[in-house]
Amino acid sequence: KAGVTQTPRYLIKTRGQQVTLSCSPISGHRSVSWYQQTPGQGLQFLFEYFSETQRNKGNFPGRFSGRQFSNSRSEMNVSTLELGDSALYLCASSLARGIQETQYFGPGTRLLVL
Amino acid sequence: DQQVKQNSPSLSVQEGRISILNCDYTNSMFDYFLWYKKYPAEGPTFLISISSIKDKNEDGRFTVFLNKSAKHLSLHIVPSQPGDSAVYFCAARGTGFQKLVFGTGTRLLVSP
Repeated sequence: KAGVTQTPRYLIKTRGQQVTLSCSPISGHRSVSWYQQTPGQGLQFLFEYFSETQRNKGNFPGRFSGRQFSNSRSEMNVSTLELGDSALYLCASSLARGIQETQYFGPGTRLLVL
Repeated sequence: DQQVKQNSPSLSVQEGRISILNCDYTNSMFDYFLWYKKYPAEGPTFLISISSIKDKNEDGRFTVFLNKSAKHLSLHIVPSQPGDSAVYFCAARGTGFQKLVFGTGTRLLVSP
């Protein structure tokens, strides 16, 4: 079974631009979560989507948004990029059947904002 | 407020010896705990998990121990191998939520 895939793997943008990252979950997984990893802050939760609905949201400004499509694929958008948005953005998927279960991560998209 | 803490940023161990990575948490609502391993430029890879109703879970060379009263969990790797060198994150989750709260990670170096 294919794992979680994320595109693009690397991205360079300039301040003020916007960016869209894509995540395809493991087949059959209905929940997709996004995390930001920075050297100083570790992995920070951004948001989780389940059946096209945002179920949970972390403490990030409104510039960070996302959505999920009917095939469970998800996109994350960051508008008006700031230098501090440079980070590794990780997507994770799970079955989310209401039991304790594991999230599986993709390889991440490394974003550099200049 | 760091709800999950890994107080040792790094750990060095010799090949064949035991590696013990520690994690403390503050939120008593956490009921499921996971350990992930991460290599540079890759996403975290799931290692092992434990439910709050257990105090130990084993999977091959990896064992996780949970002490609920102390709000402490640990990951034991026996025997340690050079390929285990990576950053290890513990993560916790509350009932009914998918959000994982991560520690800041411990970099393990296993030398031959």
